[in-house]
Amino acid sequence: EAEVAQSPRYKITEKSQAVAFWCDPISGHATLYWYRQILGQGPELLVQFQDESVVDDSQLPKDRFSAERLKGVDSTLKIQPAELGDSAMYLCASSLEAGVLSSYNEQFFGPGTRLTVL
Amino acid sequence: GDSVTQMEGPVTLSEEACLTINCTYTATGYPSLFWYVQYPGEGLQLLLKATKADDKGSNKGFEATYRKETTSFHLEKGSVQVSDSAVYFCALSDRTGANSKLTFGKGITLSVRP
Repeated sequence: EAEVAQSPRYKITEKSQAVAFWCDPISGHATLYWYRQILGQGPELLVQFQDESVVDDSQLPKDRFSAERLKGVDSTLKIQPAELGDSAMYLCASSLEAGVLSSYNEQFFGPGTRLTVL
Repeated sequence: GDSVTQMEGPVTLSEEACLTINCTYTATGYPSLFWYVQYPGEGLQLLLKATKADDKGSNKGFEATYRKETTSFHLEKGSVQVSDSAVYFCALSDRTGANSKLTFGKGITLSVRP
């Protein structure tokens, strides 16, 4: 069964360091999402890609976070510099193309990367 | 903006007890509604969904009905099992063009004891 892959599964870093997370969506899925889940809360969208284009990054803290999906397949989320408040689970999800005329397409989630900033 | 409110947890039940987890929502359009489940050490999985008013989603013995008049999507199961122990998230997707993000509630932890 096809799955969304994420790495690493766990990351511990010190504040002010740079960290990067990688996501490989299900093959053929044009839409890719990065969510952040703080302990005890529900996931919140950071950025949504359609192929290689950003659809929504309104909640992405752009002074320290960046995301790219250069070839419209896998994606990298980077934080530089990391802060204590960035400790959370970072989830990647993918779905079939979210076009204007299409009905809702299920989002499939990866296992997440748990980040701890010391 | 869109929001989802779930009842406070955690919830602890004995096996075979009835389960109801309340969920209400606020949205500007006509959202699709979802329940996701997160088992220990695993990623989020879609449990069930409903895309329009009065639709009933069902899966693995769980049910939820899209109630537009009360803006609710309560999750129910008649007889819970130990294997149902997990965190449950209510969510909505209020499509605006190509933006199809999910808005989640805070989640509720369910523990079922033998």
